[in-house]
Amino acid sequence: QSVLTQPPSASGTPGQRVTISCSGSSSNIGSDFVSWYQQLPRTAPKLLIYRNNQRPSGVPDRFSGSKSGTSASLAISGLRSEDEADYYCATWDDSLSGVVFGGGTKLTVL
Amino acid sequence: EVQVVESGGGLVKPGGSLRLSCAASGFTFNTYTMNWVRQAPGKGLEWVSSISSSSSYIYYADSVKGRITISRDNANNSVYLQMNSLRAEDTALYYCARGAGYCSSTSCEGAFDIWGQGTMVTVSS
Repeated sequence: QSVLTQPPSASGTPGQRVTISCSGSSSNIGSDFVSWYQQLPRTAPKLLIYRNNQRPSGVPDRFSGSKSGTSASLAISGLRSEDEADYYCATWDDSLSGVVFGGGTKLTVL
Repeated sequence: EVQVVESGGGLVKPGGSLRLSCAASGFTFNTYTMNWVRQAPGKGLEWVSSISSSSSYIYYADSVKGRITISRDNANNSVYLQMNSLRAEDTALYYCARGAGYCSSTSCEGAFDIWGQGTMVTVSS
């Protein structure tokens, strides 16, 4: 059971906008930055968003992040077939004194 | 090219030990926090450990505390994970990842921007 709660699955059609939520508590999301990762099948994770809403260079602006209170969201606009992947949120947890990941959301592009 | 490459994985019996290595290149290694993240087969990501740039701050997941030791050698651009008293539940692909944010006496940012391809650790009799 992950400290950060994500929906196990999400889906959308090409061109649509999809959002993935990440729910936590005051000891994690509520008190630190949130990052988001994309993991394509059989590959290493890739950093998509850091510090809640910052994109590393090379990440398309179709990907955006936001945070409010103890929840965070990843939005993907203009959905493409190559966006089909697992997505994870992560942050520091003060109670656990460690980094925590969400359980992951499998995104299917219909 | 900025990269990290893991090595040292393999098959080990329960209770055994293994030392993972991660060789970094293409960036100023001694200015970055380094991390280990693992992924059990078919499961999600699990953070294992972080070590700050000068080894001043070290953190471990509760699941490995007391059994795993992280260390680094800035002269050789490498980070290590010494794993002892291994259990079946430690079976996973172990990733080395560069930290993209801060690491302090109270916390380390969970942003990892460069990942290796991982090294597989299998604990089985």
